[in-house]
Amino acid sequence: EDKVVQSPLSLVVHEGDTVTLNCSYEVTNFRSLLWYKQEKKAPTFLFMLTSSGIEKKSGRLSSILDKKELFSILNITATQTGDSAVYLCASPEGGSTLGRLYFGRGTQLTVWP
Amino acid sequence: EPEVTQTPSHQVTQMGQEVILRCVPISNHLYFYWYRQILGQKVEFLVSFYNNEISEKSEIFDDQFSVERPDGSNFTLKIRSTKLEDSAMYFCASKRNTGNTIYFGEGSWLTVV
Repeated sequence: EDKVVQSPLSLVVHEGDTVTLNCSYEVTNFRSLLWYKQEKKAPTFLFMLTSSGIEKKSGRLSSILDKKELFSILNITATQTGDSAVYLCASPEGGSTLGRLYFGRGTQLTVWP
Repeated sequence: EPEVTQTPSHQVTQMGQEVILRCVPISNHLYFYWYRQILGQKVEFLVSFYNNEISEKSEIFDDQFSVERPDGSNFTLKIRSTKLEDSAMYFCASKRNTGNTIYFGEGSWLTVV
């Protein structure tokens, strides 16, 4: 059973559009939720969220966590072709002392010029 | 910016052969990981390593797999007697002493034929 579920699985937009990517999680003793961007190979770190309602922002990307409803969203405004990637959501199992991450299947974002 | 480096970037091996994938984690990090991603599937945890020993391993990490930190900088994953289903991208990752942010290498793509 998946502990981290992402939606949609894929998304195609045009440059300039705003997108919202969803991640729901079900891990015991929740500690944090992480977003990564995976272009061709390595997942590169975007955000780590630990507290509900506090938006993390980096340029056109922002993310927020809702610990009551057990989900997070990643927003990208004014999308560019360089935003095309798979966006991964992950959370460590609370009982895992060293941060074993459970990943979702990812959202494949394609931005057309 | 410091990064996790992995070699080789791609290896093709015959079924039954042994492979060693190498990683140099970020220098001041203390926790090391191997993850894998079979084509089209989720990123999956294999093993975590701390203080020169395995801390946690998944059900995937059976006797066929082993990890080692042979010196102060390298961290290796050995797969004995490779099987076709071992074909995947193998990611090395590392983490500082504090916090949950895990940084990934570019990956080693293993193809077993």
